Amino acid sequence: GAGVSQSPRYKVAKRGQDVALRCDPISGHVSLFWYQQALGQGPEFLTYFQNEAQLDKSGLPSDRFFAERPEGSVSTLKIQRTQQEDSAVYLCASSGRTSVYEQYFGPGTRLTVT
Amino acid sequence: AQRVTQPEKLLSVFKGAPVELKCNYSYSGSPELFWYVQYSRQRLQLLLRHISRESIKGFTADLNKGETSFHLKKPFAQEEDSAMYYCALTSGGSNYKLTFGKGTLLTVNP
Repeated sequence: GAGVSQSPRYKVAKRGQDVALRCDPISGHVSLFWYQQALGQGPEFLTYFQNEAQLDKSGLPSDRFFAERPEGSVSTLKIQRTQQEDSAVYLCASSGRTSVYEQYFGPGTRLTVT
Repeated sequence: AQRVTQPEKLLSVFKGAPVELKCNYSYSGSPELFWYVQYSRQRLQLLLRHISRESIKGFTADLNKGETSFHLKKPFAQEEDSAMYYCALTSGGSNYKLTFGKGTLLTVNP
Protein backbone atom coordinates (compact mmCIF):
# COMPACT_ATOMS: atom_id res chain seq x y z
CA GLY A 1 0.00 0.00 0.00
CA ALA A 2 0.93 3.64 -0.21
CA GLY A 3 3.15 5.09 2.44
CA VAL A 4 2.90 8.46 4.12
CA SER A 5 2.76 11.26 1.58
CA GLN A 6 3.43 14.96 2.06
CA SER A 7 2.83 17.97 -0.11
CA PRO A 8 4.30 20.14 -1.33
CA ARG A 9 7.75 18.55 -1.36
CA TYR A 10 9.40 21.95 -1.60
CA LYS A 11 8.11 25.34 -0.59
CA VAL A 12 9.77 28.73 -0.84
CA ALA A 13 8.09 31.49 1.11
CA LYS A 14 8.92 35.12 1.58
CA ARG A 15 9.34 36.21 5.17
CA GLY A 16 5.95 37.09 6.58
CA GLN A 17 3.94 34.79 4.34
CA ASP A 18 1.69 32.04 5.66
CA VAL A 19 2.27 28.44 4.56
CA ALA A 20 0.28 25.22 4.84
CA LEU A 21 1.90 21.80 4.71
CA ARG A 22 -0.16 18.68 4.14
CA CYS A 23 0.31 15.12 5.38
CA ASP A 24 -1.58 12.03 4.21
CA PRO A 25 -0.88 9.21 6.68
CA ILE A 26 -1.09 5.51 5.95
CA SER A 27 -4.75 4.55 5.77
CA GLY A 28 -6.05 3.40 9.14
CA HIS A 29 -3.17 4.77 11.18
CA VAL A 30 -4.56 6.49 14.25
CA SER A 31 -1.39 8.26 15.41
CA LEU A 32 0.16 11.12 13.47
CA PHE A 33 3.25 13.11 14.33
CA TRP A 34 4.93 16.24 12.98
CA TYR A 35 8.67 16.81 13.34
CA GLN A 36 10.93 19.68 12.31
CA GLN A 37 14.43 18.90 11.07
CA ALA A 38 16.87 21.76 10.75
CA LEU A 39 20.01 21.34 8.66
CA GLY A 40 22.51 19.04 10.33
CA GLN A 41 20.15 18.16 13.18
CA GLY A 42 17.95 15.24 14.06
CA PRO A 43 14.18 15.55 13.77
CA GLU A 44 12.54 17.44 16.64
CA PHE A 45 9.02 16.71 17.80
CA LEU A 46 6.36 19.33 17.13
CA THR A 47 2.97 17.77 17.78
CA TYR A 48 1.04 14.49 18.04
CA PHE A 49 -2.51 13.46 17.13
CA GLN A 50 -4.47 10.40 18.02
CA ASN A 51 -7.30 10.32 15.53
CA GLU A 52 -8.58 13.92 15.46
CA ALA A 53 -7.44 14.76 18.99
CA GLN A 54 -4.25 16.75 19.38
CA LEU A 55 -2.78 15.11 22.47
CA ASP A 56 0.56 16.87 22.62
CA LYS A 57 1.59 20.18 21.08
CA SER A 58 4.45 20.87 23.44
CA GLY A 59 7.01 21.02 20.63
CA LEU A 60 5.39 23.79 18.61
CA PRO A 61 7.97 26.60 18.79
CA SER A 62 5.54 29.50 18.84
CA ASP A 63 1.91 30.43 18.44
CA ARG A 64 2.62 31.00 14.76
CA PHE A 65 2.55 27.22 14.36
CA PHE A 66 -0.80 25.47 14.24
CA ALA A 67 -1.71 21.89 13.32
CA GLU A 68 -5.02 20.19 12.73
CA ARG A 69 -6.42 16.81 11.78
CA PRO A 70 -10.17 17.46 11.68
CA GLU A 71 -11.36 14.05 10.44
CA GLY A 72 -8.65 11.91 11.94
CA SER A 73 -6.90 11.32 8.64
CA VAL A 74 -5.19 14.11 6.66
CA SER A 75 -3.30 16.65 8.73
CA THR A 76 -2.20 20.20 7.97
CA LEU A 77 0.61 22.11 9.62
CA LYS A 78 0.21 25.84 9.22
CA ILE A 79 2.88 28.41 9.86
CA GLN A 80 1.83 32.03 9.99
CA ARG A 81 4.09 35.00 9.31
CA THR A 82 7.04 32.78 8.43
CA GLN A 83 10.50 33.72 9.70
CA GLN A 84 13.91 32.68 8.42
CA GLU A 85 14.41 30.39 11.40
CA ASP A 86 11.40 28.37 10.22
CA SER A 87 13.47 27.10 7.28
CA ALA A 88 13.72 23.34 7.78
CA VAL A 89 12.41 20.00 6.58
CA TYR A 90 9.02 19.21 8.09
CA LEU A 91 8.45 15.50 8.53
CA CYS A 92 5.17 13.75 9.11
CA ALA A 93 4.95 10.22 10.53
CA SER A 94 2.09 7.86 11.32
CA SER A 95 1.73 4.67 13.29
CA GLY A 96 -0.98 2.06 13.66
CA ARG A 97 -2.67 0.36 16.61
CA THR A 98 -0.73 -2.87 16.32
CA SER A 99 2.68 -1.27 15.98
CA VAL A 100 2.34 1.88 18.00
CA TYR A 101 6.07 2.34 18.43
CA GLU A 102 6.92 1.97 14.74
CA GLN A 103 6.54 5.32 13.05
CA TYR A 104 6.39 5.46 9.25
CA PHE A 105 7.81 8.68 7.89
CA GLY A 106 6.87 10.70 4.87
CA PRO A 107 9.44 12.22 2.50
CA GLY A 108 9.20 15.61 4.17
CA THR A 109 8.51 19.14 2.98
CA ARG A 110 11.56 21.36 2.62
CA LEU A 111 10.57 24.91 3.57
CA THR A 112 12.88 27.76 2.68
CA VAL A 113 12.00 31.21 3.97
CA THR A 114 13.74 34.03 2.12
CA ALA B 1 14.04 16.11 30.23
CA GLN B 2 15.01 13.37 27.83
CA ARG B 3 18.05 13.66 25.62
CA VAL B 4 19.87 11.49 23.08
CA THR B 5 23.54 12.02 22.31
CA GLN B 6 25.35 10.65 19.29
CA PRO B 7 28.94 11.77 19.78
CA GLU B 8 30.14 11.05 16.23
CA LYS B 9 28.83 13.17 13.40
CA LEU B 10 30.80 11.20 10.83
CA LEU B 11 32.11 7.64 10.84
CA SER B 12 34.10 6.08 8.04
CA VAL B 13 35.08 2.41 7.83
CA PHE B 14 36.23 -0.03 5.18
CA LYS B 15 34.04 -2.79 3.82
CA GLY B 16 34.29 -5.89 5.99
CA ALA B 17 35.41 -3.98 9.08
CA PRO B 18 33.34 -3.92 12.27
CA VAL B 19 31.30 -0.83 12.92
CA GLU B 20 29.88 0.66 16.11
CA LEU B 21 27.69 3.75 16.19
CA LYS B 22 27.46 5.20 19.65
CA CYS B 23 24.32 6.40 21.38
CA ASN B 24 23.88 7.61 24.94
CA TYR B 25 20.65 8.79 26.46
CA SER B 26 19.38 10.54 29.52
CA TYR B 27 15.94 9.80 30.86
CA SER B 28 14.81 9.16 34.39
CA GLY B 29 12.33 6.40 33.61
CA SER B 30 12.46 3.30 31.43
CA PRO B 31 12.58 4.44 27.83
CA GLU B 32 12.05 2.57 24.62
CA LEU B 33 15.12 2.91 22.38
CA PHE B 34 15.26 2.80 18.58
CA TRP B 35 17.63 3.14 15.69
CA TYR B 36 16.29 4.82 12.55
CA VAL B 37 18.19 4.92 9.25
CA GLN B 38 17.98 7.20 6.23
CA TYR B 39 19.61 5.96 3.03
CA SER B 40 20.46 8.45 0.30
CA ARG B 41 17.33 9.95 -1.29
CA GLN B 42 15.07 7.76 0.84
CA ARG B 43 12.83 8.51 3.78
CA LEU B 44 13.62 7.87 7.40
CA GLN B 45 12.79 4.29 8.41
CA LEU B 46 12.96 2.16 11.52
CA LEU B 47 15.99 -0.13 11.66
CA LEU B 48 15.47 -1.77 15.02
CA ARG B 49 14.06 -1.29 18.51
CA HIS B 50 15.59 -2.63 21.67
CA ILE B 51 12.56 -4.47 22.95
CA SER B 52 12.34 -6.73 19.90
CA ARG B 53 15.95 -7.86 20.33
CA GLU B 54 16.14 -8.60 16.61
CA SER B 55 19.07 -8.43 14.26
CA ILE B 56 18.18 -6.41 11.19
CA LYS B 57 20.53 -6.37 8.17
CA GLY B 58 23.19 -7.78 10.48
CA PHE B 59 22.89 -4.90 12.95
CA THR B 60 22.30 -5.39 16.66
CA ALA B 61 21.95 -3.00 19.56
CA ASP B 62 22.00 -3.76 23.26
CA LEU B 63 20.44 -1.53 25.84
CA ASN B 64 22.86 -0.94 28.72
CA LYS B 65 20.89 0.75 31.47
CA GLY B 66 23.92 1.14 33.71
CA GLU B 67 25.79 3.13 31.09
CA THR B 68 22.59 4.57 29.56
CA SER B 69 23.82 3.48 26.15
CA PHE B 70 22.29 1.85 23.09
CA HIS B 71 25.17 1.41 20.67
CA LEU B 72 24.52 -0.01 17.19
CA LYS B 73 26.94 -2.70 16.00
CA LYS B 74 27.65 -4.75 12.93
CA PRO B 75 30.57 -7.17 12.70
CA PHE B 76 31.22 -6.77 8.95
CA ALA B 77 30.18 -3.51 7.31
CA GLN B 78 28.88 -3.48 3.72
CA GLU B 79 28.92 -0.61 1.25
CA GLU B 80 25.11 -0.57 1.24
CA ASP B 81 25.19 0.27 4.97
CA SER B 82 26.33 3.78 4.09
CA ALA B 83 23.58 6.04 5.42
CA MET B 84 22.57 8.48 8.15
CA TYR B 85 21.75 6.74 11.42
CA TYR B 86 19.64 8.27 14.18
CA CYS B 87 19.22 6.97 17.68
CA ALA B 88 15.87 7.82 19.27
CA LEU B 89 13.91 7.22 22.42
CA THR B 90 10.35 7.46 23.58
CA SER B 91 9.21 7.61 27.15
CA GLY B 92 6.60 4.94 26.65
CA GLY B 93 3.17 5.16 28.18
CA SER B 94 0.59 6.68 25.89
CA ASN B 95 2.73 9.36 24.25
CA TYR B 96 4.83 7.92 21.52
CA LYS B 97 6.74 11.00 20.44
CA LEU B 98 10.37 10.35 19.58
CA THR B 99 13.40 12.27 20.80
CA PHE B 100 16.20 11.94 18.26
CA GLY B 101 19.94 12.36 18.41
CA LYS B 102 21.68 14.51 15.82
CA GLY B 103 22.65 11.51 13.75
CA THR B 104 25.84 9.82 12.55
CA LEU B 105 26.71 9.66 8.86
CA LEU B 106 28.27 6.27 8.19
CA THR B 107 30.38 5.83 5.10
CA VAL B 108 31.58 2.35 4.18
CA ASN B 109 34.46 2.51 1.73
CA PRO B 110 35.21 -0.25 -0.78
